[in-house]
Amino acid sequence: KNEVEQSPQNLTAQEGEFITINCSYSVGISALHWLQQHPGGGIVSLFMLSSGKKKHGRLIATINIQEKHSSLHITASHPRDSAVYICAVGDDKIIFGKGTRLHILP
Amino acid sequence: DSGVTQTPKHLITATGQRVTLRCSPRSGDLSVYWYQQSLDQGLQFLIQYYNGEERAKGNILERFSAQQFPDLHSELNLSSLELGDSALYFCASTPWAGTDTQYFGPGTRLTVL
Repeated sequence: KNEVEQSPQNLTAQEGEFITINCSYSVGISALHWLQQHPGGGIVSLFMLSSGKKKHGRLIATINIQEKHSSLHITASHPRDSAVYICAVGDDKIIFGKGTRLHILP
Repeated sequence: DSGVTQTPKHLITATGQRVTLRCSPRSGDLSVYWYQQSLDQGLQFLIQYYNGEERAKGNILERFSAQQFPDLHSELNLSSLELGDSALYFCASTPWAGTDTQYFGPGTRLTVL
């Protein structure tokens, strides 16, 4: 079993839909990262969170440390949100999920 | 633009060769991380340096080594290259040694033929 599990692996949705990507982990952590990787390959850090909820524009990330679970939500999704979203946990030695490939149709 | 630079952007070489990838962190950042992203393994943490010293080691092969110089740039050396080493290599930087938002470079795509 992987230490970081993401679901779904692939997600196709219509523009405007509310998107949820889930991440479960089995190791103890002090923080969890959500990353975005566009088809060009570059990686952008979206959130780092250790408790509660964070919001940035149309993106919302939540974490439940007791349940070892985090979710990334995208409201009013747009085709430019199409990317791979990666969950990562750990302090010095970061462990990555396999990513969720999101495709938003216009 | 994250402020992290990596050179070269692309590198094509042959099996058995040695290459050096370079990373310059954001101005003021003391910590550099190296990652490998391959199609079958996904993203994997290789090694972290903080202010010139190795701080954490991940799934880094013995054929690979890294260092961080006094001006804080870092180099990842890959030797005796194999076909399976073909991947994207990213570096990221943070201001300190602990958990913090990471700023990723654009990556170096290594192709081993």
